[in-house]
Amino acid sequence: EMQLLESGGGLVQPGGSLRLSCAASGFTFSSYSINWVRQAPGKGLEWVSYISASSSSIYYADSVRGRFTISRDNAKNSLSLQMNSLRAEDTAVYYCAKAKNYYMDVWGKGTTVTVSS
Amino acid sequence: EIVLTQSPATLSLSPGERATLSCRASQSVSSNLAWYQQKLGQAPRLLIYDASNRATGIPARFSGGGSGTDFTLTISSLEPEDFAVYYCQQRSNWPPTFGQGTRLEIK
Repeated sequence: EMQLLESGGGLVQPGGSLRLSCAASGFTFSSYSINWVRQAPGKGLEWVSYISASSSSIYYADSVRGRFTISRDNAKNSLSLQMNSLRAEDTAVYYCAKAKNYYMDVWGKGTTVTVSS
Repeated sequence: EIVLTQSPATLSLSPGERATLSCRASQSVSSNLAWYQQKLGQAPRLLIYDASNRATGIPARFSGGGSGTDFTLTISSLEPEDFAVYYCQQRSNWPPTFGQGTRLEIK
């Protein structure tokens, strides 16, 4: 069974940093692009970042560009999202989602990030 | 950025009824549209991709249609487990964008 499992969420002060991780299993991780998608409390889905299978293509939403960095380690079947200069509006559940032709066909359960003083 | 507008915001129906959800794009996305279902406290699940193709394991009561700017998700006969929030997503232009969601609630 294809699975993704996020970790690393928590409470952080405005301006702080946090690193999210996503562990993959049940599929050939190195063959697929992965996205991060977030959902603020009571709100809809917002795409955050994308990384291709080989890390050759990386994209960010305007709202996080310059503050967030996506990376992956295919040898460890893992994905990371380094989040710096965090703001209150970054508070959300963060999901990693496997890409299928730029759709998202496998999702993790999410990890919660709260930015508050 | 392509804006997706979903309607209605909330749809109240009874089990066994037919549900029709709409998604309108601010410009043509051809058939590059997906639908997701999200139940309370759970991650989204891919239902439909390329406007009309059911994802693996999705029951036949779910169907998608449309192209260009106007799309529909139809649930032919609602089961109790279908009451959830539904999102559309386009992949035609970067960045990928989602609609704001339609909440399907029990009447």
